[in-house]
Amino acid sequence: EPEVTQTPSHQVTQMGQEVILRCVPISNHLYFYWYRQILGQKVEFLVSFYNNEISEKSEIFDDQFSVERPDGSNFTLKIRSTKLEDSAMYFCASTLIDQRNTIYFGEGSWLTVV
Amino acid sequence: KQEVTQIPAALSVPEGENLVLNCSFTDSAIYNLQWFRQDPGKGLTSLLLIQSSQREQTSGRLNASLDKSSGRSTLYIAASQPGDSATYLCAVLSPNEKLTFGTGTRLTIIP
Repeated sequence: EPEVTQTPSHQVTQMGQEVILRCVPISNHLYFYWYRQILGQKVEFLVSFYNNEISEKSEIFDDQFSVERPDGSNFTLKIRSTKLEDSAMYFCASTLIDQRNTIYFGEGSWLTVV
Repeated sequence: KQEVTQIPAALSVPEGENLVLNCSFTDSAIYNLQWFRQDPGKGLTSLLLIQSSQREQTSGRLNASLDKSSGRSTLYIAASQPGDSATYLCAVLSPNEKLTFGTGTRLTIIP
């Protein structure tokens, strides 16, 4: 069964460093998302991406965050200058035609900022 | 702002029992509601999706219902098994394209 894949599965980084989390959505999907889950808290929406541009973003998604689809398969989340509070599990997700379809999530990337 | 609440936060039941997990949401203007399963340290596995026009969906031993007007959904698990132990998350998709998640119910099935 097709799946959303994410790399790395776990990354430890020093505060202030830049991090890029990578995702390969399901191949024929058109909408892409990033969500995050701080340990012990709810899964939170960060950003949605469609037709090579941001569709929606939350208040969490400030100027230190950016997303990109550099080629036909990858979808990346960049955190420019990491803070301790960025430590979380980051989930990439994709869906087929529009948001009313099932949203498929990846296994997540654990980010630990020290 | 949409708020999603799940009760109970944790539930332990003996193997073989049927059980119900509850989800409520504050804004009934939703596109759909989705139930996910999350194993510790793992990703989110979609279990069932109910469109706003539907009342229920079934997959194997799982049945999810939706009462949009009252802002409630239930996930019914029949004949529970130890492999069902996980955290179950409810999420609603709003017209603003955002999935809003509940905090989940941590389910433990006792062999």
